[in-house]
Amino acid sequence: AQSVTQLDSQVPVFEEAPVELRCNYSSSVSVYLFWYVQYPNQGLQLLLKYLSGSTLVKSINGFEAEFNKSQTSFHLRKPSVHISDTAEYFCAVSDQMNYGGSQGNLIFGKGTKLSVKP
Amino acid sequence: DAGVIQSPRHEVTEMGQEVTLRCKPISGHNSLFWYRQTMMRGLELLIYFNNNVPIDDSGMPEDRFSAKMPNASFSTLKIQPSEPRDSAVYFCASSPGRFAGINTGELFFGEGSRLTVL
Repeated sequence: AQSVTQLDSQVPVFEEAPVELRCNYSSSVSVYLFWYVQYPNQGLQLLLKYLSGSTLVKSINGFEAEFNKSQTSFHLRKPSVHISDTAEYFCAVSDQMNYGGSQGNLIFGKGTKLSVKP
Repeated sequence: DAGVIQSPRHEVTEMGQEVTLRCKPISGHNSLFWYRQTMMRGLELLIYFNNNVPIDDSGMPEDRFSAKMPNASFSTLKIQPSEPRDSAVYFCASSPGRFAGINTGELFFGEGSRLTVL
């Protein structure tokens, strides 16, 4: 069974500072990895995902995450944050083997609340 | 294309009343998920369906909760009788199943239904 650990429940940063949101997972098989973002009073939206290929994946709004298999990590980074990045960020993992079938579900971390201050 | 549509967006009810939450998944998606989100417990998977069939309902809190998916375009989550501890945001999500031969598990979330039980 997989699990996801987001070590930081809250991360306060100042605007234009860099940020890293940490995500570690455990799995005995190969995985797909996701970051979702939840803005206040909204549902979760996919931010970026790693399925295969390049281990560095990027979103359209400047976030990036790198899959590190040896460290079982998928940390999310942004070199310069904006006020509008204030949200809760969820890391999630799914089992590639399980998805040989047609059902299954993502395992979510507990979320990290990013608070960007002026 | 329309996303996942949930109704109502907000519901305030009194303890003991029946509550019905509704969800219309994205057309063509074959998996549907109900989640509950609270400050204390975070995001919890309640139940998921594949091709309209309930696959795993182990997350349903108790017999007061029931979910149905009578067809591919509609699902309900019912709480009867409701209790104050059921107050939460309930999310519906759908998944496209296989994409280019791969089922990655990516989920598409609705905006949520915020339930307050007085």
